[in-house]
Amino acid sequence: NAGVMQNPRHLVRRRGQEARLRCSPMKGHSHVYWYRQLPEEGLKFMVYLQKENIIDESGMPKERFSAEFPKEGPSILRIQQVVRGDSAAYFCASSYDTNPYGYTFGSGTRLTVV
Amino acid sequence: EDKVVQSPLSLVVHEGDTVTLNCSYEVTNFRSLLWYKQEKKAPTFLFMLTSSGIEKKSGRLSSILDKKELSSILNITATQTGDSAIYLCAVDTGTASKLTFGTGTRLQVTL
Repeated sequence: NAGVMQNPRHLVRRRGQEARLRCSPMKGHSHVYWYRQLPEEGLKFMVYLQKENIIDESGMPKERFSAEFPKEGPSILRIQQVVRGDSAAYFCASSYDTNPYGYTFGSGTRLTVV
Repeated sequence: EDKVVQSPLSLVVHEGDTVTLNCSYEVTNFRSLLWYKQEKKAPTFLFMLTSSGIEKKSGRLSSILDKKELSSILNITATQTGDSAIYLCAVDTGTASKLTFGTGTRLQVTL
């Protein structure tokens, strides 16, 4: 039973390009959370999704960022027209239900914008 | 705005020392407090605390919650170099189970 799989592990994008980050939750988990970790800062909540639904996107910037969790396939966090300030580690967590005790984090995607 | 503050920000100790890491919080709705260890990859779960005064223990690590003081401590006894990591404290405010994290304490254990 593989854990939460995130890919790519490292992603380099030039300013203005698009970044697509993928997260495959653990088997049987239907709740997915995305967090962003800026250098020297803690993890900041971005968005919470269940299959085909965005439940809470209160932590996600209104522009350029979007997330989806389709019926089939991984959850995708998409950042359009990236800027240097988007450089960060993006972590995905999945859980079976809404109890954080059951959270499992992926290893993250480190995005660098040059 | 919900806030979680950890101290110290960083700490260097010798192997065998005992360390205490602090976490305080200010949130509108408290459901539980969680501790994670983060090495160079995914945060891994250590403890979840919901009740005041009950110590959770796992080997050399232990943690306790004080709801009156809105704080928690994480103790590590007889530290080893493998304990070197960032220790994160997070609070579940019960809102869609999103966690509010502190900035973490970076612990380095030297020989």
